Amino acid sequence: EVQLLDSGGGSAQPGGSLRLSCAASGFTFNSHAMSWVRQAPGKGLEWVSGISGSGGGTYYADSVKGRFTISRDNSKNTLFLQMDSLRAEDTAVYYCAKVHSSDWYDYMDVWGKGTTVTVSS
Amino acid sequence: EIVMTQSPATLSVSPGERATLSCRASQSVTSNLVWYQQKRGQAPRLLIYGASTRATGIPARFSGSGSGTAFTLTISSLQSEDFAVYFCLQYNNWPHTFGQGTKLEIK
Repeated sequence: EVQLLDSGGGSAQPGGSLRLSCAASGFTFNSHAMSWVRQAPGKGLEWVSGISGSGGGTYYADSVKGRFTISRDNSKNTLFLQMDSLRAEDTAVYYCAKVHSSDWYDYMDVWGKGTTVTVSS
Repeated sequence: EIVMTQSPATLSVSPGERATLSCRASQSVTSNLVWYQQKRGQAPRLLIYGASTRATGIPARFSGSGSGTAFTLTISSLQSEDFAVYFCLQYNNWPHTFGQGTKLEIK
């Protein structure tokens, strides 16, 4: 069974940092691109970032470019999202999601349960 | 960026009846569209990919149709567990963009 376990959320002040992790199991991790998607309170879903299966290609929404860094450790089947220069508008539930194929451009087929990030002074 | 517009925002339907949800794209996304179901406090669950193909384990009462800019998710006979929020997502263009969701509630 495919499982994704997101963690690392919490509270941070504006300008602060957090690092999210996503432990994956039940599939060949390095054969699949991965994504992060967020959902602000009472709002819809927003794709945040994606990474290819090898980790060689990374992609970001304009809203987080230059502040967030996606990475992966294929030896540990783990996905990361380093979030720096946090803003109040980054407050959301963050989901890691498995992409259907190795192509980061493909759709997400399995999602983690999400981890909550709150940015407030 | 492609804008995805879902309608209606809220749909009230009685159990056993049919529900039809709409998703429109601001420009063609060919058939690169998926539908997700999200229940309160849970992660989204993939229902339909490629606009019309049911994901593994999804009951036959869920069907998707459309291509280009207009898409429909139909639930043929609503069960109690189907009352949730439904999102569409286009993955034809970067960045991927979601519709704002349709809340399906019990009438």
